[in-house]
Amino acid sequence: DTGVSQDPRHKITKRGQNVTFRCDPISEHNRLYWYRQTLGQGPEFLTYFQNEAQLEKSRLLSDRFSAERPKGSFSTLEIQRTEQGDSAMYLCASSFGSGSSYEQYFGPGTRLTVT
Amino acid sequence: KQEVTQIPAALSVPEGENLVLNCSFTDSAIYNLQWFRQDPGKGLTSLLLIQSSQREQTSGRLNASLDKSSGRSTLYIAASQPGDSATYLCAVRRDNYGQNFVFGPGTRLSVLP
Repeated sequence: DTGVSQDPRHKITKRGQNVTFRCDPISEHNRLYWYRQTLGQGPEFLTYFQNEAQLEKSRLLSDRFSAERPKGSFSTLEIQRTEQGDSAMYLCASSFGSGSSYEQYFGPGTRLTVT
Repeated sequence: KQEVTQIPAALSVPEGENLVLNCSFTDSAIYNLQWFRQDPGKGLTSLLLIQSSQREQTSGRLNASLDKSSGRSTLYIAASQPGDSATYLCAVRRDNYGQNFVFGPGTRLSVLP
């Protein structure tokens, strides 16, 4: 399968613990995005990479959140000292930043539950 | 700040009906608009993407239109099927630098057999 993949699919953690999620974009997609989605809402933009450069971060991305894309391929999103309010679905998307469409393709998401 | 709204929030129709989902956005200076489908607990599946210079896009039983000046898009689903039951989200992109997709809250569609 050559779609966007995310790992793990589900994560349950206790408040205060650190968690890390991984996203593997579609091969050769140079843009990668992270979104957060809470129940009954649309996804909210968190951050975006073009190749290995993190070009924008939302105000939603507090100091406890960090994202990396070290070689311009896969990306990780780490949440330190998790809080119950971090419980959400974390979605990754990728696109190819050339041509006219920049259509974003989404992965299945990682559902985080903080107890 | 761009805001995207979708009405109705939920819709229930009998199988076979044609239906229209609505999406409105406050800032008409968009690069493109994309419609997605989301099944419960799952990620998003892209349905249609309309560039700001386009008026509509079609894929099978789906047709999406865009009226940028009025800040509106509609998704038309013909001959609905129970398998169409899902949440439908629209999202607008501000510019071609790749960031800041703003999503609406979605319309939850149920197609009854």
